[in-house]
Amino acid sequence: DTAVSQTPKYLVTQMGNDKSIKCEQNLGHDTMYWYKQDSKKFLKIMFSYNNKELIINETVPNRFSPKSPDKAHLNLHINSLELGDSAVYFCASSHRTPNTEAFFGQGTRLTVV
Amino acid sequence: QQQVKQSPQSLIVQKGGISIINCAYENTAFDYFPWYQQFPGKGPALLIAIRPDVSEKKEGRFTISFNKSAKQFSLHIMDSQPGDSATYFCAASNTGSARQLTFGSGTQLTVLP
Repeated sequence: DTAVSQTPKYLVTQMGNDKSIKCEQNLGHDTMYWYKQDSKKFLKIMFSYNNKELIINETVPNRFSPKSPDKAHLNLHINSLELGDSAVYFCASSHRTPNTEAFFGQGTRLTVV
Repeated sequence: QQQVKQSPQSLIVQKGGISIINCAYENTAFDYFPWYQQFPGKGPALLIAIRPDVSEKKEGRFTISFNKSAKQFSLHIMDSQPGDSATYFCAASNTGSARQLTFGSGTQLTVLP
């Protein structure tokens, strides 16, 4: 069983389109995250979310929005896609308690053309 | 401002050798320091982690050394194997940031057979 699963694995789309990436975790975790990995492999937090709190990295454009229908899902919606949004996006989850492991999905490679 | 600095960017080691990757952090509120391993096309996976109340943690061939006063920590891979070839990320988080991980820039490790 996949602990953190993302769909799709690859996404190619044109500039200006709106797209969503789905994420589901079956670990019973209470906190989920979205990270962006750029072409130089640098990983940066975008959002963290549990049922009480959304923390947004201030550098994330407001075209990006997380949507959580329930505790096991955290989808990423992106409006008006730009070339610079091309990257690999990783969903992750963990318990909110200190010093606990974050589990990552396999990533979604987004290419904006 | 990069809060976790990682070096070297790339590392080539002979099979059986010792691989050493170093990280330094700035935020003294960090209280959890994991190392993640990432293979191509996969998400990062936790390798080993340490809290600042201990100076060393060993798991098999992997050891974290932690120097709180210097705000530095390092990963040592003993008896490096070709299967260890991957990208390694140090990271840090604190209780006050909803467990968001701040990653170093990554080290591409190649172990030659």
